[in-house]
Formats: sequence, structure tokens, C-alpha cells
Amino acid sequence: EAGVVQSPRYKIIEKKQPVAFWCNPISGHNTLYWYLQNLGQGPELLIRYENEEAVDDSQLPKDRFSAERLKGVDSTLKIQPAELGDSAVYLCASSNQGAAFNEQFFGPGTRLTVL
Amino acid sequence: QKEVEQNSGPLSVPEGAIASLNCTYSDRGSQSFFWYRQYSGKSPELIMFIYSNGDKEDGRFTAQLNKASQYVSLLIRDSQPSDSATYLCAASSGNTGKLIFGQGTTLQVKP
Repeated sequence: EAGVVQSPRYKIIEKKQPVAFWCNPISGHNTLYWYLQNLGQGPELLIRYENEEAVDDSQLPKDRFSAERLKGVDSTLKIQPAELGDSAVYLCASSNQGAAFNEQFFGPGTRLTVL
Repeated sequence: QKEVEQNSGPLSVPEGAIASLNCTYSDRGSQSFFWYRQYSGKSPELIMFIYSNGDKEDGRFTAQLNKASQYVSLLIRDSQPSDSATYLCAASSGNTGKLIFGQGTTLQVKP
């Protein structure tokens, strides 16, 4: 079974430029998460989707960040414009809402560097 | 602010020893707890989860939960150099699915 797929794996941009990350969850997983991980810290939730619906976006900086999951499968996270402080690893995870304990499985992440 | 606290380490143990990783959480509503292993430059990998007080064993790994003390631990028996990584503890509240992660503990297993 394929795991969570993310692209690109690495991205280097200049500040004020836009950037987008793509995630395809594990087949059959209806819940999708975007996390941000800074160096030396644990992941922090940005947004959670159940199917197409964003059910928790309280931690998403909505002035510059946006996300979508139009068909309830893959998802895109966008930053526009990027700032220096956005340099981090952006992780996508998925889980099966029907699972008893909501185990989340992570993709390889996208390492963003903003210059 | 709901928090999960871990000692960042590094925790250094000799090969073959037992490594003990600890985690405390502040939200008494947390119902299930997860341990992830993260190698440098890689993404977190789920090792175990626990939801009942007591111990849960899986191979060389044992997770322990004490809800009264709001304490979770992970024991790694017969530690191997390949166990050297950062171990992340996470707590999940109710049915929201939201995981709150600690900052992780770096484990070094020395040959």
C-alpha cells in the first residue's frame, strides 16, 4: 500500500514569492492534515480536512496561507506571499476516520527555504 | 494552552541498554497517546499508541500510560544504534483527531 505522497520534496524561493505544496493521502483515508515543523520542534497542526470540509483551520494564518481539498482526496497548501519565517518543513498526514484511534501517517514532507 | 512536554535530551544510552523516554501532558481530556520516531531529515513514523492505563508491549517497545499523573513513557529494550533518532510524543483529545506534539527527545545509542 502506497503511503502519503508529497511534492515537491524541497523548495527554495525568495521572500514575497508564492509557493504551493501538494499532498495525496493514503488510499481510503478520508481525513487529511497539514502540519508545520520547525527545526527542533514537534509538528504543529495547520489545518485538518474531513473529506472536502476543513473542520479545523484555527491555526492556519489565513492572511497568507490557504488550502483546498476539492474532491476529498488530494490537497494543496499555498503560501502567498512567503516570508522568511515560513522556512520550515510542511508535513501532510492522513488517517482513516473509521479507525478506532485515529492513527495518523505522515508523508515525507516538503522542506521550504525562503531567502 | 494544551501542552505536551518532553525533555529534548540528548539521552545517551549504551547499546543493549534500556532507553526510557518520558512525556507529560496538560489536557486531562486527552484520550490516546502516540509515539513517533523521526530520523534526521525524515518524517515522523508511528511506533505505538496507547489509550488505557498500564503497559502496552510491541516487540522491543513498551508504552506506559498513567492518566492520574498525566504521564506517558516509552521504553526501548536492547537498544540498537539504529534506534538513534528523535522520539515524538503526541496526545489526542476526544474525537477531534487533533494531535498535540511534544518537542521530541533525541536518543543516542552508542555502540
